Amino acid sequence: AQKITQTQPGMFVQEKEAVTLDCTYDTSDPSYGLFWYKQPSSGEMIFLIYQGSYDQQNATEGRYSLNFQKARKSANLVISASQLGDSAMYFCAMSLNTGNQFYFGTGTSLTVIP
Amino acid sequence: DAMVIQNPRYQVTQFGKPVTLSCSQTLNHNVMYWYQQKSSQAPKLLFHYYDKDFNNEADTPDNFQSRRPNTSFCFLDIRSPGLGDAAMYLCATSAGGQPSALHFGNGTRLTVT
Repeated sequence: AQKITQTQPGMFVQEKEAVTLDCTYDTSDPSYGLFWYKQPSSGEMIFLIYQGSYDQQNATEGRYSLNFQKARKSANLVISASQLGDSAMYFCAMSLNTGNQFYFGTGTSLTVIP
Repeated sequence: DAMVIQNPRYQVTQFGKPVTLSCSQTLNHNVMYWYQQKSSQAPKLLFHYYDKDFNNEADTPDNFQSRRPNTSFCFLDIRSPGLGDAAMYLCATSAGGQPSALHFGNGTRLTVT
């Protein structure tokens, strides 16, 4: 069975500082994708960043980067220069190549402190 | 802009009264998903369609059904809503065939009275 684990229910970060949100995954499928989504209090799910299992380099999108360590099966999200608008729930997710299933972790609530 | 649209944004239904939530997409994606999300929890996959092929998650109650009459539309039917079915229901799409990002609608928040 596929599994996504986020061990940090809540995180706090000072504005303008960097923060790392942890995510580990478990799958025996060699081909998979890892995603991070942001969900503000308004409820919409916003796609942030994607990492493919065969990608050699870590993904980056603006202030977001994904620290992909395949041997450790981890895909941590790094947010640089935190802003107040970054306060939200963050979900790590995994998609497999074989079945179009898409699984989410339990999420991390990030609060940016002024 | 290409997008995923869910209607209504808020839905109130009575205990046991059937309710239908709708989702449409202009992305022409092959795969459409329905997720249930309760407060402070992760979205839980109920089922998905790859084109016309329906894929039900093993733990999705029979009370939940879905229809996809064409590529653009997908419906979630709750035959006899219980108080425990109150949640946010999220529709999403993806191109399918290989790992690709989900595109979400804004969700429908269901209240059961």
